[in-house]
Amino acid sequence: ETGVTQSPTHLIKTRGQQVTLRCSSQSGHNTVSWYQQALGQGPQFIFQYYREEENGRGNFPPRFSGLQFPNYSSELNVNALELDDSALYLCASSKADGVGTEAFFGQGTRLTVV
Amino acid sequence: GQSLEQPSEVTAVEGAIVQINCTYQTSGFYGLSWYQQHDGGAPTFLSYNALDGLEETGRFSSFLSRSDSYGYLLLQELQMKDSASYFCRKDKIIFGKGTRLHILP
Repeated sequence: ETGVTQSPTHLIKTRGQQVTLRCSSQSGHNTVSWYQQALGQGPQFIFQYYREEENGRGNFPPRFSGLQFPNYSSELNVNALELDDSALYLCASSKADGVGTEAFFGQGTRLTVV
Repeated sequence: GQSLEQPSEVTAVEGAIVQINCTYQTSGFYGLSWYQQHDGGAPTFLSYNALDGLEETGRFSSFLSRSDSYGYLLLQELQMKDSASYFCRKDKIIFGKGTRLHILP
């Protein structure tokens, strides 16, 4: 148990729809990062939030957006879903900006777009 | 430039030692970390190297050589439960594609 909780665990959406994924960070952690992991691949960095501000973004289009709340929990929103968005979405929380500190991952949300 | 290269699969025998390598091209980064991920599970942190040299944490050790642009994870006294995928990670952004470790009894 890492103390990082993601919801929902599984989700099926139709192409073109919008989805919101949620992540509760570990107590005392102020940084949340989101990753997309396709089957058999390593996690791909989407973006990171530090104290409610976006603090780094990977090579993902603007239809991937996020929020971090005052309690440091976070949301990942994806608009206009495409079939290729089907993947495991992971969030990770850490104490600082995560460069040199351990990141704790949630169990992920398995998103299927049909 | 930013990618991390790992072997896709490694097979070893229970009780043995195995080394998983991670090579990279871009030199400017803070450190290299290693994560373990079982099928259907979340990645869990194993080890981190900010400086060159060996970091030891129980049965797992990690090594970094910036001059040679590579690092490795060393797993000793392999157990069946070590069967998993192992990822190297450069700073907070770049993960390797992972190495699937198969352990034979």
